[in-house]
Amino acid sequence: DAGVIQSPRHEVTEMGQEVTLRCKPISGHNSLFWYRQTMMRGLELLIYFNNNVPIDDSGMPEDRFSAKMPNASFSTLKIQPSEPRDSAVYFCASSPDREGSNQPQHFGDGTRLSIL
Amino acid sequence: AQSVTQLDSHVSVSEGTPVLLRCNYSSSYSPSLFWYVQHPNKGLQLLLKYTSAATLVKGINGFEAEFKKSETSFHLTKPSAHMSDAAEYFCVVTKYNFNKFYFGSGTKLNVKP
Repeated sequence: DAGVIQSPRHEVTEMGQEVTLRCKPISGHNSLFWYRQTMMRGLELLIYFNNNVPIDDSGMPEDRFSAKMPNASFSTLKIQPSEPRDSAVYFCASSPDREGSNQPQHFGDGTRLSIL
Repeated sequence: AQSVTQLDSHVSVSEGTPVLLRCNYSSSYSPSLFWYVQHPNKGLQLLLKYTSAATLVKGINGFEAEFKKSETSFHLTKPSAHMSDAAEYFCVVTKYNFNKFYFGSGTKLNVKP
C-alpha cells in the first residue's frame, strides 16, 4: 500500500517567494497533520485536520503560513512570503482516527525546504 | 497536560550489546505511548505502541518497551544492537482518544562495529 506521499522532496527558493508543499494521506485516513522539524526546536505540530476540517492550528507560526485540505486525499501547506528562518524539513502524517483508541500516525518522507 | 522527557540526547553502543533508550512521561490521564524511529532523510516510522493493554509491548526489529505507571516510564530496549539500528528515536505521548502527539526531543543512537 502507498504510504503518505509528500512533494516536492526538496525545495530551494529565494526569500520572498511563495512556497507550496503538498501531501496525499493514506487512503481511508481521516486525520492529517503537518509538522516542522529543525535542529533547534525538534518536531513541532503546525496544524491538524480531522475530516478535512482544521481542528488545531495553534502551532502555525504566523500569518505567512496557511494550510488547506480541500478533500480527503490532498492537503497543502503554503508559506507566503518565505523567509530564511522557515528552512526546515516539513512532514505530513495521517492516521485513521478510530473512535475509542489512539491510532499511530503514519509519516511521509518529508520536504526539505531551504530558503536562501 | 502531557509531556515527554527523553533522558539521553545521544546513546552509543557496540554492535551485539543491549540497547536502552529512556523515556519518562507526564500525563493527566491514562496515556497512549509510542516509539518512533527516524533514519537519515526519512520520515518517522512506528516501532511500537502502548494503549492500556499489556504493559510489555513488542515492536518491530526486535525492540520492546515496558510501561511502568509507578515510575511514569516507557523505556525502549533491544537485547542486541545491529548496525542498522543507528538512527534517531522519538518517544511520544498522547491523551487517550485524542489525536495530538507530544514528542520527546529525540535520542540519537550510534552503533559501533
